[in-house]
Amino acid sequence: EIVLTQSPGTLCLSPGERATLSCRASQSVSSSYLAWYQQRPGQAPRLLIYGASSRATGIPDRFSGSGSGTDFTLTISRLEPEDFAVYYCQQYGGSPRYSFGQGTKLEIK
Amino acid sequence: EVQLVESGGGLVQPGGSLRLSCAASGFTISSNYMSWVRQAPGKGLEWVSVIFSGGTTSYADSVKGRFTISRDNSKNTLYLQMNSLRAEDTAVYYCTRVAHVWFGDWGQGTLVTVSS
Repeated sequence: EIVLTQSPGTLCLSPGERATLSCRASQSVSSSYLAWYQQRPGQAPRLLIYGASSRATGIPDRFSGSGSGTDFTLTISRLEPEDFAVYYCQQYGGSPRYSFGQGTKLEIK
Repeated sequence: EVQLVESGGGLVQPGGSLRLSCAASGFTISSNYMSWVRQAPGKGLEWVSVIFSGGTTSYADSVKGRFTISRDNSKNTLYLQMNSLRAEDTAVYYCTRVAHVWFGDWGQGTLVTVSS
């Protein structure tokens, strides 16, 4: 079973700052199989990044993903008010077929 | 435009059954992988089940033997039959369209509460 561990659990930043979110896998994950999601309060999640570094349709270029193997990163270059939300990483492979990290909550400082 | 609209959630007693529906529009579900993802109140996301375009299914261990995913191609609708429900099945259930291996489109979710 591949376990995804996200850090930090909560990140407190101000608008305009840079956010760096981490997702660490318990064993190597293909970059093609790593995605990131954003969930705003009361809303369904939405796909941000797929294939570790490709932005989904309509996602602003301040969002970027990187990493390989067991360490992946989501970076938001300059935080906008609407970016304060919960972020999840997700992988495919093994058992269970799909799994999510526990999430990082991005809060306004 | 892709739309996924879930229905069928509600309050059910432990041991009871419920069937969730997801009406899709803007694409054909039989040509896509479709999945259910759930979120317990205040918790993270948990994958539940997937049905591949060929009809093969897969389940999380937590629901295997109790839940059944299916689809009606004529209605372009996805289902999740949930039996032997437990308190820990309480969650918002999201219908998703799987793009390659990620969840590209999501419905608004339907709340299932298992309680006596």
